[in-house]
Amino acid sequence: SAVISQKPSRDICQRGTSLTIQCQVDSQVTMMFWYRQQPGQSLTLIATANQGSEATYESGFVIDKFPISRPNLTFSTLTVSNMSPEDSSIYLCSAGTFEAFFGQGTRLTVV
Amino acid sequence: AQKITQTQPGMFVQEKEAVTLDCTYDTSDQSYGLFWYKQPSSGEMIFLIYQGSYDEQNATEGRYSLNFQKARKSANLVISASQLGDSAMYFCAMRAKETSGSRLTFGEGTQLTVNP
Repeated sequence: SAVISQKPSRDICQRGTSLTIQCQVDSQVTMMFWYRQQPGQSLTLIATANQGSEATYESGFVIDKFPISRPNLTFSTLTVSNMSPEDSSIYLCSAGTFEAFFGQGTRLTVV
Repeated sequence: AQKITQTQPGMFVQEKEAVTLDCTYDTSDQSYGLFWYKQPSSGEMIFLIYQGSYDEQNATEGRYSLNFQKARKSANLVISASQLGDSAMYFCAMRAKETSGSRLTFGEGTQLTVNP
């Protein structure tokens, strides 16, 4: 099983600022995924991060708002840009070729 | 497009009893995978069990078993001998293709409460 470390675990941010979330996997993986979970709701896929190429974004998510980096096969970052209170959510990264494992999540509150 | 439906927003069970959490899915793919996750109030997503569409046997992991009925497109989670620590949100999820890694579609979740 893959061990995924995500940080920060939580943060409170001012509107208009940006936050970068880091995700580290203990083994090399081809694809990493970023999800958002708004309060009281299910998980929604933001984008797929592939090493060596631009991330692939799902409908409703754009690169300017959620830029993603994938510098190598074990690491990825998600930035939440120009934040508003509507961005308050849990953000989770995921990886796994067969089974799908998640980091512990980043609980973001925008005030 | 894939769709996961969990029709039970909340479920209650007495400690030490078994409980079944329902999940139905819709997909046109022949090859797919079904997952169950537990999310405690801390927010982390804990992988519980996986069932592949071509697996003939129902998956089991300790106290968790997956009742897979392919013709009915259902993948219910059975938790035996419930414990107080099982109280959490449970999500059913589907992966459309084996090569999609952890690109999953999630249901809305079921909040399970285990009563002493």
